[in-house]
Amino acid sequence: DIVMTQSPDSLAVSLGERATIYCKSSQSVVYSSNNKNYLAWYQQKPGQPPKLLIYWASTRESGVPDRFSGSGSGTDFTFTISSLQAEDVAVYYCQQYYSSPYSFGQGTKLEIK
Amino acid sequence: EVQLLQSGAEVKKSGESLKISCKGTRHNFTNYWIGWVRQMPGKGLEWMGIIYPDDSETRYSPSFQGQVTISADKSISAVFLQWSSLKASDTAMYYCARHGIVAGTITHFDAWGLGTLVSVSS
Repeated sequence: DIVMTQSPDSLAVSLGERATIYCKSSQSVVYSSNNKNYLAWYQQKPGQPPKLLIYWASTRESGVPDRFSGSGSGTDFTFTISSLQAEDVAVYYCQQYYSSPYSFGQGTKLEIK
Repeated sequence: EVQLLQSGAEVKKSGESLKISCKGTRHNFTNYWIGWVRQMPGKGLEWMGIIYPDDSETRYSPSFQGQVTISADKSISAVFLQWSSLKASDTAMYYCARHGIVAGTITHFDAWGLGTLVSVSS
C-alpha cells in the first residue's frame, strides 16, 4: 500500500503571505503510459465535507481561485497558496489515486498567524 | 451538478447492526466508482473502499476488509455501508464520494456527500 506523508502537520501564516504544504508518497504515483501524477489536493473546512482543489498534481478544479496551485512529480509534491486569505483556514489533504487503497495524507491544519 | 445524498445521523449501541446509504442524482451513478471515507472525531480522512454499482465489483482497504460491507442497488442508484456488529470505535463521520473516471481509469474524488454521523455507545 502507498503511504502518504504530509508536512508540516500544522502551519500558521500571515494574511497575504505564502503557505506551502508538502506531500510525499512512499512510491511513485506517475503512470509511465500517460506521464500523469495521480495526486489530488482537498480542502476541508470545519463541519463540511472535503472539497477538491487540485488533481493530476497541478490541475485546478473549475472555480478554484488561482492563488491555489500544485506542483511536483513522482513521490514529492507541493501545494501552495500564494496569498493567504482568511477563508483559506482549513485542513488540507493530499490523496493518491495511483493504486488501491487510494490513501490520504494525514492532513495539514492551516491557520492565520 | 452531481449530488450524493446520504442518510441521516445514527445513534446506536455496541453490538448492533447498521446500514447507511448514499444515493446519487443528476449523473449516471451506476458507471462511476463510489467510495466511502471515514473521519473519526478530530482526525483525518481514511479511504475505506469503493464499489462499481453497475456490477457491484468492490475493493476494500485492508484496514477495513472484514470490518464493513459495501454494497449497491443500481435500480435505485444507491450504495450502502454496513456493519454487522458495531463497536464504540466505529463512531465517526462517514462520507460517500464519487471517483472520476478517465479512459477507464479511476481518478480523484470529484463529488462528495455531506456525511453521515454514526455514534456508537458502549
